[in-house]
Amino acid sequence: EDQVTQSPEALRLQEGESSSLNCSYTVSGLRGLFWYRQDPGKGPEFLFTLYSAGEEKEKERLKATLTKKESFLHITAPKPEDSATYLCAVQATGGFKTIFGAGTRLFVKA
Amino acid sequence: DAGITQSPRYKITETGRQVTLMCHQTWSHSYMFWYRQDLGHGLRLIYYSAAADITDKGEVPDGYVVSRSKTENFPLTLESATRSQTSVYFCATIADTHYEQYFGPGTRLTVT
Repeated sequence: EDQVTQSPEALRLQEGESSSLNCSYTVSGLRGLFWYRQDPGKGPEFLFTLYSAGEEKEKERLKATLTKKESFLHITAPKPEDSATYLCAVQATGGFKTIFGAGTRLFVKA
Repeated sequence: DAGITQSPRYKITETGRQVTLMCHQTWSHSYMFWYRQDLGHGLRLIYYSAAADITDKGEVPDGYVVSRSKTENFPLTLESATRSQTSVYFCATIADTHYEQYFGPGTRLTVT
């Protein structure tokens, strides 16, 4: 069964304190692993797609990496505006069903 | 250019009533999805549609009905609402040439 587990559930950082969010996954055949950002009261917003182990993507202070079993979202020198829930999701080959993790709530204090 | 819209944004209904949540997209993407989001569960797929008149069940379809007569609309109906269906509902599409999803703003439904 396809499954996504995110850790930690919540993460509190000081502004400038770099850290990483973890996404562990099992999937029959990976088409893509996705990272989304969700602000309170809004729908998830797409950040990255990773397709194969070893791939990395960057956007501003965020960097996503992928192995055969895990993905990490590294946040470098975070700012308060990076506070949000970050969702990880996987999509298996052969269809477009997407399995989401429960998310990591990130709080960045000034 | 709104992209994907949902209505209503907030809805309070009573147990046993029928409720329809609307989803409209302006892109003409083939695939559309309905999710519910609950604390501790993340996003769970209710139903999805590959094209007009083609729908399929997701992870939690019981108590819900969908239809898709036009490419741009994908309504979700709760035939007889229950308290366990209190949740935030999100509609999403996938661009035909990519795999990432684009989400609507959500509908917060409360069943009393």
